[in-house]
Amino acid sequence: DAGVTQSPTHLIKTRGQQVTLRCSPKSGHDTVSWYQQALGQGPQFIFQYYEEEERQRGNFPDRFSGHQFPNYSSELNVNALLLGDSALYLCASSLIQDYNEQFFGPGTRLTVL
Amino acid sequence: QQQVKQSPQSLIVQKGGISIINCAYENTAFDYFPWYQQFPGKGPALLIAIRPDVSEKKEGRFTISFNKSAKQFSLHIMDSQPGDSATYFCAASEFGGGADGLTFGKGTHLIIQP
Repeated sequence: DAGVTQSPTHLIKTRGQQVTLRCSPKSGHDTVSWYQQALGQGPQFIFQYYEEEERQRGNFPDRFSGHQFPNYSSELNVNALLLGDSALYLCASSLIQDYNEQFFGPGTRLTVL
Repeated sequence: QQQVKQSPQSLIVQKGGISIINCAYENTAFDYFPWYQQFPGKGPALLIAIRPDVSEKKEGRFTISFNKSAKQFSLHIMDSQPGDSATYFCAASEFGGGADGLTFGKGTHLIIQP
């Protein structure tokens, strides 16, 4: 079992550009959550996808959008990048039932110049 | 508004000692309280979690103590080892880890000195 995988590992973009990050969930999981972790901070919840729909969203602007595919994999899209979007973006997968563990991937390090 | 406050920001403990990290929350609807461990270059990994119907949960060297009336919970690491050196995050959610986004504290950087 490969666990949660994310691509790419690192990414460098300039202000105003758009970026797409990808996540494959742990085998058997149906729910994907995305988090932003700024340097020296705890992860912040962006949104969660289940059955190809966004079911919950944190306090992030609509420049942040996502998608879940029929195979449960997911993408995070960020438009009009700002310097403050530089962070580690974490994907976590789980089963939709309550009180199940969220398994995190290694993250994608995004640097905006 | 930070809903989960974690302290201390950093902690140095001698090998064999007890490491204690504290968290306080504001949202009384929180119903699930996990602790995550993160090593450099890795994603967070679940250590132990508790629900508010119990006051303590122990798994190996790791114990969560939970005080519902004070809205506080803490992680105790007994017999701390150099391999425990990592960043620890407390978190909380309303419906549990599977179906709800987690609210994290800012983290504690723990160093175990040999």
